[in-house]
Amino acid sequence: DTGVSQNPRHKITKRGQNVTFRCDPISEHNRLYWYRQTLGQGPEFLTYFQNEAQLEKSRLLSDRFSAERPKGSFSTLEIQRTEQGDSAMYLCASNRVEAEAFFGQGTRLTVV
Amino acid sequence: QKEVEQDPGPLSVPEGAIVSLNCTYSNSAFQYFMWYRQYSRKGPELLMYTYSSGNKEDGRFTAQVDKSSKYISLFIRDSQPSDSATYLCATPEKGGSEKLVFGKGTKLTVNP
Repeated sequence: DTGVSQNPRHKITKRGQNVTFRCDPISEHNRLYWYRQTLGQGPEFLTYFQNEAQLEKSRLLSDRFSAERPKGSFSTLEIQRTEQGDSAMYLCASNRVEAEAFFGQGTRLTVV
Repeated sequence: QKEVEQDPGPLSVPEGAIVSLNCTYSNSAFQYFMWYRQYSRKGPELLMYTYSSGNKEDGRFTAQVDKSSKYISLFIRDSQPSDSATYLCATPEKGGSEKLVFGKGTKLTVNP
């Protein structure tokens, strides 16, 4: 399968714990995006990488969130001190410049 | 006013019906438009990608863009139960990250 791959698919964590998600984009895509989707809403942009550089972050991305893309390949999204409001589907997408974006299956986070 | 507005439905139709899904957008600078299909608990899957005004057809699906009225449509002919999903319209913000701006999504159920 050469699509966007996200792991884990589902994560249940206790409030206050840290979690980390991984995204492997389509190999020739230099752009990688993280979005968050809550029930009944469309995905909302969180952050974006072009190669290894993180070029834009949404105001939705609080200080508890950090994302990396070492070597411009896979990316990780870490949430520290999780809160119940962080419960959502976290989606990763990748594309080439001015081309359509392809999404992974998402990581569903449940904070209890 | 949100940049992309979409009636969340839900929309329920009998099998074989023609389905019309619609979005409006506010920024005349938007140029590319996409329709994604999202099955429950899955990531969005790209269905159609259009640039500029006019129609684009792919099998039972037709995407239509009317830039004069800032109106985007997706038509599904001979709808099938397997078309039951949430349909999201999206457009990339021009320049910079080209992050996608999504509508809320319309939940469609096709009844056999």
